[in-house]
Amino acid sequence: GENVEQHPSTLSVQEGDSAVIKCTYSDSASNYFPWYKQELGKRPQLIIDIRSNVGEKKDQRIAVTLNKTAKHFSLHITETQPEDSAVYFCAATPMGGYSTLTFGKGTMLLVSP
Amino acid sequence: SAVISQKPSRDICQRGTSLTIQCQVDSQVTMMFWYRQQPGQSLTLIATANQGSEATYESGFVIDKFPISRPNLTFSTLTVSNMSPEDSSIYLCSVDKPGQGAYEQYFGPGTRLTVT
Repeated sequence: GENVEQHPSTLSVQEGDSAVIKCTYSDSASNYFPWYKQELGKRPQLIIDIRSNVGEKKDQRIAVTLNKTAKHFSLHITETQPEDSAVYFCAATPMGGYSTLTFGKGTMLLVSP
Repeated sequence: SAVISQKPSRDICQRGTSLTIQCQVDSQVTMMFWYRQQPGQSLTLIATANQGSEATYESGFVIDKFPISRPNLTFSTLTVSNMSPEDSSIYLCSVDKPGQGAYEQYFGPGTRLTVT
């Protein structure tokens, strides 16, 4: 089955800096890669996703890149703010329709003012 | 997106008892999923619940321990049976909803279970 590795496990940055979280996946059939943000005590929230027919996707301060050949994808957050502090999970699924997601272990991002 | 609710939001239970968690979504969905998230850990899929058929369980999870019902397209239950302290966790349901070209998965608020 699919295996998703996520790095780093923790990331501390100063407000205004950029943050990058990287994930690798094992199943070359995976074609959908969402990212979730989970604040303490709350549900995971879908913040951005990318499909295998696209190399990059942006939404304001966040962007995701995908390298299908290397089987890795990354989340980029620019101009970080304290409210970006949370745990971020990447996921992958080989099913373009109903998504049985395999999650990475998560990255705790701390943005200091 | 989707509006998803879960009941109860939290509970403290004695070992050996069972707890049934309910998940309600505001619109009809084909697939519902149940996850477990242990403290400080990632999300682990327990099973996929498709209306009108038996749930599909992931490796390490069995129907006798985690029976699931899916009586209609907006509702599902997960029962944690014969509980032990190791079952203390957050249990989340999720649903697939059509997004931009494919299905996106949205999560309920979770049920925090403590087994004493």
